[in-house]
Amino acid sequence: EAGVTQFPSHSVIEKGQTVTLRCDPISGHDNLYWYRRVMGKEIKFLLHFVKESKQDESGMPNNRFLAERTGGTYSTLKVQPAELEDSGVYFCASSQDRGGIQYFGAGTRLSVL
Amino acid sequence: KQEVTQIPAALSVPEGENLVLNCSFTDSAIYNLQWFRQDPGKGLTSLLLIQSSQREQTSGRLNASLDKSSGRSTLYIAASQPGDSATYLCAVRRNSGNTPLVFGKGTRLSVIA
Repeated sequence: EAGVTQFPSHSVIEKGQTVTLRCDPISGHDNLYWYRRVMGKEIKFLLHFVKESKQDESGMPNNRFLAERTGGTYSTLKVQPAELEDSGVYFCASSQDRGGIQYFGAGTRLSVL
Repeated sequence: KQEVTQIPAALSVPEGENLVLNCSFTDSAIYNLQWFRQDPGKGLTSLLLIQSSQREQTSGRLNASLDKSSGRSTLYIAASQPGDSATYLCAVRRNSGNTPLVFGKGTRLSVIA
């Protein structure tokens, strides 16, 4: 069975451009999470979907970030317009149960120049 | 606000040694605690999950303990091998399954052959 898949694995864009990250969770996992790690800091929570609904988006830094999960399957995270401080590694995770083990993807490394 | 600290930040040991990685958290009202491993350029691999009612979990050469009242968890690795070299992350979930994981910065482990 496939794990959590994220792409692209690496994205390099210029400040002001738009980037869309995609996450495919493990099949059948209703819970999908986005996290981010910026240089030198710990991994921090961005938001949580249960199926197609946003359960918790308290970690989203500002309104330049937009996450969607249409149909409750894959999810996208769009950054528009990107700023230098958005650089980091964006992780996606999924779980079958809300309090259960979270399975992580390999992450997307975003570099904003 | 929950904060997770992992000490040491980096650790180097000779092959065959037993070792302990430490994790502490400021708010003892946790739902569960999860230990992860991250290899360079890869995603996070879940190692062990301990529910708040549990004292320890074991998987092969790994043993994780939890002392909720003192806000501490340890990950014990027996008979370390070069393949154990990775960054080990501790993450706690606050007092319900609906809350996100709060991560420490990790301990970077090197096992020297």
